[in-house]
Amino acid sequence: QLQLQESGPGLVKPSETLSLTCTVSGGSINIISYYWGWIRQPPGKGLEWIGSISYSGSTYYNPSLKGRVTISVDTSKSLFSLKLSSVTAADTALYYCVRHSVGRGFDYWGQGTLVTVSS
Amino acid sequence: QTVVTQEPSFSVSPGGTVTLTCGLSSDSVSTGYYPSWYQQTPGQAPRTLIYSTNTRSSGVPDRFSGSILGNKAALTITGAQADDESNYYCALYMGSGISVFGGGTKLTVL
Repeated sequence: QLQLQESGPGLVKPSETLSLTCTVSGGSINIISYYWGWIRQPPGKGLEWIGSISYSGSTYYNPSLKGRVTISVDTSKSLFSLKLSSVTAADTALYYCVRHSVGRGFDYWGQGTLVTVSS
Repeated sequence: QTVVTQEPSFSVSPGGTVTLTCGLSSDSVSTGYYPSWYQQTPGQAPRTLIYSTNTRSSGVPDRFSGSILGNKAALTITGAQADDESNYYCALYMGSGISVFGGGTKLTVL
């Protein structure tokens, strides 16, 4: 059974860079036609797709966050990462890593990790 | 900017049928947007219910069904149960690797 697990600091200072890693286990990250992505959910609010990456490194980002987001993949370690720069309190959210494809939607989710932006 | 619209809230009686919708501010939703639906209960990660408009994810009861109704994607729950009380989100694939979620519908079963 494929499992995704987020890790990273739970507290980030304003203007700094948020960094999270998602480790994939129970399956391969090297799958054509699947993407590995990040979704966030501010407390009490809805879901927002942040961006995704293919195993080959092609990236796709939410236009509203473009310029602040970088997603990378390390297939040798079966993990992918999120960096979000210049964070503000508005970036406080539960961050989920996901697997998805165009035809199958977001089919596997991590349990989520809460990141708070505060000084 | 693309906005995906959902009813903010809905209520259904136990055993009843409810249809939640997912629309676009500037277009009609078609199968080409590969609509998908997710159920989220408080404190839990979302669970995939439906993908590619009408395909149920593994283990999802057949009382959940997806379709296109008019110019929107739709999620219908037939024979609602108490544990269907959740938040429901739709997502649309906009092309060029971009996906957009709707704001979610809070479903109450009472």
